[in-house]
Amino acid sequence: AQTVTQSQPEMSVQEAETVTLSCTYDTSESDYYLFWYKQPPSRQMILVIRQEAYKQQNATENRFSVNFQKAAKSFSLKISDSQLGDAAMYFCAYRSARNTGNQFYFGTGTSLTVIP
Amino acid sequence: NAGVTQTPKFRILKIGQSMTLQCTQDMNHNYMYWYRQDPGMGLKLIYYSVGAGITDKGEVPNGYNVSRSTTEDFPLRLELAAPSQTSVYFCASSYSSGRGYNEQFFGPGTRLTVL
Repeated sequence: AQTVTQSQPEMSVQEAETVTLSCTYDTSESDYYLFWYKQPPSRQMILVIRQEAYKQQNATENRFSVNFQKAAKSFSLKISDSQLGDAAMYFCAYRSARNTGNQFYFGTGTSLTVIP
Repeated sequence: NAGVTQTPKFRILKIGQSMTLQCTQDMNHNYMYWYRQDPGMGLKLIYYSVGAGITDKGEVPNGYNVSRSTTEDFPLRLELAAPSQTSVYFCASSYSSGRGYNEQFFGPGTRLTVL
C-alpha cells in the first residue's frame, strides 16, 4: 500500500505571513492524484487543493498553492497571507488512478496555528 | 444538496452494547467509505463500497460490519462495543475511481465514546 508522510506534526505562522506544509509519499505508480484537505475545529473535512501527477504545472487556489515534485515524491502546500481562519489540521492524501475502489491514503496531519 | 450526512453527531456507549452509525449521501455517488480518526491521528479506512450490494474491507475492519442496500445509504454497525472503538467516525463518498480527480466528500463525523 502507498504511504503518505507528513513530518511536521505542528506548525505555526504569524497572521499575514506565508507557511509551507510538507508531504511526501511512496509509490511505484506514475498516474495518481494528490490532495490537501483541511479539518478545522468543527471536524468537517474540506478539500483545499488537488493535483494530477501528469500535470507539471503546480495547482493554485487563491492563497493556496502546491509545490509538486514528482521525482522527489513531494507535495507541499503553501499558504500565503495566512488568516486566522486557516488554523486547522491539514491532511495530505494520495489516490491511484487505477480503477481500484478509489481508496485514499492519508498522512497523519499537520496542525497549523495562526498567531494574531 | 445536503451532501453527506451522518447521524448521530455524538454517542456514548457502554462496553458490549451495539449501535449503527448512519450515513446518507444525495450526490448519486457510487463509492462510499467509512473511516475512523483517533486523537491526533490521520484517517484509517474501515470499510468501503463501490456500489449497492458490494462492500469490501479496509485497513481496520475488525469489530465492524457494513451493508449497502441502496446507492444513498451506507450504515456502519458496531457489535459488542469496546473502549478501543472510541474514536471519531467519518463517512465519505465519491463519484468513481480511475482517471479524474474523484475527490471524496466527507460527512461531519460522529464522535463515539465507549465506556
